[in-house]
Amino acid sequence: RKEVEQDPGPFNVPEGATVAFNCTYSNSASQSFFWYRQDCRKEPKLLMSVYSSGNEDGRFTAQLNRASQYISLLIRDSKLSDSATYLCVVGTSYGKLTFGQGTILTVHP
Amino acid sequence: GAGVSQSPSNKVTEKGKDVELRCDPISGHTALYWYRQSLGQGLEFLIYFQGNSAPDKSGLPSDRFSAERTGGSVSTLTIQRTQQEDSAVYLCASSFTGAVEQYFGPGTRLTVT
Repeated sequence: RKEVEQDPGPFNVPEGATVAFNCTYSNSASQSFFWYRQDCRKEPKLLMSVYSSGNEDGRFTAQLNRASQYISLLIRDSKLSDSATYLCVVGTSYGKLTFGQGTILTVHP
Repeated sequence: GAGVSQSPSNKVTEKGKDVELRCDPISGHTALYWYRQSLGQGLEFLIYFQGNSAPDKSGLPSDRFSAERTGGSVSTLTIQRTQQEDSAVYLCASSFTGAVEQYFGPGTRLTVT
């Protein structure tokens, strides 16, 4: 079983749609939680950290459920520029990151 | 300021040759990480440096892989006797100790023929 599991998609949605990604992790000792975004043939970039209280950044909302070891990302009002691979990531106390396989999102006109 | 830089950006090598990949972290970042991204495997951790020491090298796939960091700055990942399964993008990231965000370099795309 992979340490971080995501639905690989692909998700194909029209502009303006709301899309949700889910992720589970197996290591209950994980300390930090993130969503990264990776564009084709580019390096990953931090989209947002994820907290148990839930956090929102504009059109993006992330949620962590430590009891269920479950992380989610909601994107509202999708834009063409949101097309990318979204990586669910968990980290140790010293920053070692474990990545999910990524979920491919394509937003079309 | 300058971000994480890696060189070379692309490397094609013959099976059995040794290769060296270089990472220049952001100035002042004490933590440095190497990851590998290959088709079908996703992004996987290789090694973590805190200063010049490597407290976690658990992700290095075999003893053909080694890494060092000097002066608390530049790091070199060396792969000896390369194999075709070593073909991947090798990514370096750096951060301040205990910081949330890691900044990734653009990667080195290694192709072993």
